[in-house]
Amino acid sequence: DGGITQSPKYLFRKEGQNVTLSCEQNLNHDAMYWYRQDPGQGLRLIYYSQIVNDFQKGDIAEGYSVSREKKESFPLTVTSAQKNPTAFYLCASRSPQGYEQYFGPGTRLTVT
Amino acid sequence: AQSVAQPEDQVNVAEGNPLTVKCTYSVSGNPYLFWYVQYPNRGLQFLLKYITGDNLVKGSYGFEAEFNKSQTSFHLKKPSALVSDSALYFCAVRDLSNDYKLSFGAGTTVTVRA
Repeated sequence: DGGITQSPKYLFRKEGQNVTLSCEQNLNHDAMYWYRQDPGQGLRLIYYSQIVNDFQKGDIAEGYSVSREKKESFPLTVTSAQKNPTAFYLCASRSPQGYEQYFGPGTRLTVT
Repeated sequence: AQSVAQPEDQVNVAEGNPLTVKCTYSVSGNPYLFWYVQYPNRGLQFLLKYITGDNLVKGSYGFEAEFNKSQTSFHLKKPSALVSDSALYFCAVRDLSNDYKLSFGAGTTVTVRA
């Protein structure tokens, strides 16, 4: 988990509310990612950013939004349009020298 | 499209016995393969990768993996398992159409009993 922080660790929201998950990295990595993890389904890519001020949709972007105004930060907003937002959310970044990604500790979001 | 499969949802071994977690891949070109471990309510930790070169790759915490091109496999191994190795393990492959993306397997839960 070193170098990537996510906050908060647990988050509870009422249905219909937007919520923003924080991700910060001090690894000087250009690329950053957001994944969603559900039991038995592995990791699914929501959004990724190759560089500041640029981002692309992943496989399940509907109902989510991101911004990349700073190299260190890649916040994810879960909007009220996301039909099933309760999940474990993981942020990651990638070294320019390699292809492996490094992950933060995750945020568990519960929407009721 | 490239993908990886982890054919076993669960693996159970006794402490001190060898541990193997299986992964097979489907890639049209040269695969870049990765193994990660996840402890409960934590993020994924990178264990090792195969890019090119020696088919036997050594990684963190005593783990190693063997790349087998003829069998399209990349199995994770540890000669002597510890109770602390109990976790969820993911295999991943680089997306050949997009260098920035990885495709992950569904994961294998490993339980090491004392």
